[in-house]
Amino acid sequence: QSALTQPASVSGSPGQSITISCTGTSSDVGGYNYVSWYQQHPGKAPKLIISDVSNRPSGVSNRFSGSKSGNTASLTISGLQAEDEADYYCSSYTSSITWVFGGGTKLTVL
Amino acid sequence: EVQLVESGGGLVKPGGSLRLSCAASGFTFSNAWMTWVRQAPGKGLEWVGRIKSKTDGGTTDYAAPVKGRFTISRDDSKNTLYLQMNSLKTEDTAVYYCATQRSGSFDYWGQGTLVTVSS
Repeated sequence: QSALTQPASVSGSPGQSITISCTGTSSDVGGYNYVSWYQQHPGKAPKLIISDVSNRPSGVSNRFSGSKSGNTASLTISGLQAEDEADYYCSSYTSSITWVFGGGTKLTVL
Repeated sequence: EVQLVESGGGLVKPGGSLRLSCAASGFTFSNAWMTWVRQAPGKGLEWVGRIKSKTDGGTTDYAAPVKGRFTISRDDSKNTLYLQMNSLKTEDTAVYYCATQRSGSFDYWGQGTLVTVSS
């Protein structure tokens, strides 16, 4: 199972919005609504920020939103803040009864 | 408060074995599906495998790179998840995280334990 495709890096200024894409196939992202997103700060464990394509867990800022179209899922962060600088990973269930992660995207807040 | 605490990591030679533990608290462990995820140094996340709750059959599924070498088990009486790793390879070097799984996402994560496979 190949990793999902994410851009290696994105950047934005405070207050701006950015979008991170996550491209898979019809056997993973396109086939199931089991796409999730994780935020990871350096040296820390990942934190769930979006589940099931677009659901935001309790306590997660409403500046984070998720969507999906075809084989590509997207994470949008609005009103960028310095604390959003981190690595972001998408994940999807697959037809092989496994899960696959994206390669990760490093977000830099300028 | 959900807490997951991994232990058992360390240095092991190629071909060796290691067993990781994940002590859970703050939720009904016996009802939870549990997952192991690893992260090689400076690399991304990689799903390792998952075990369902006994109520849902207690079955396991594994990623291709570890299938046949790694075994996930659970002791609900001890609220503990295990990862038995055999025939270890240098490419298994990583921080190993346990996580709770709900539907298609991994909700709560431990702090991780480092496994280094080197001669």
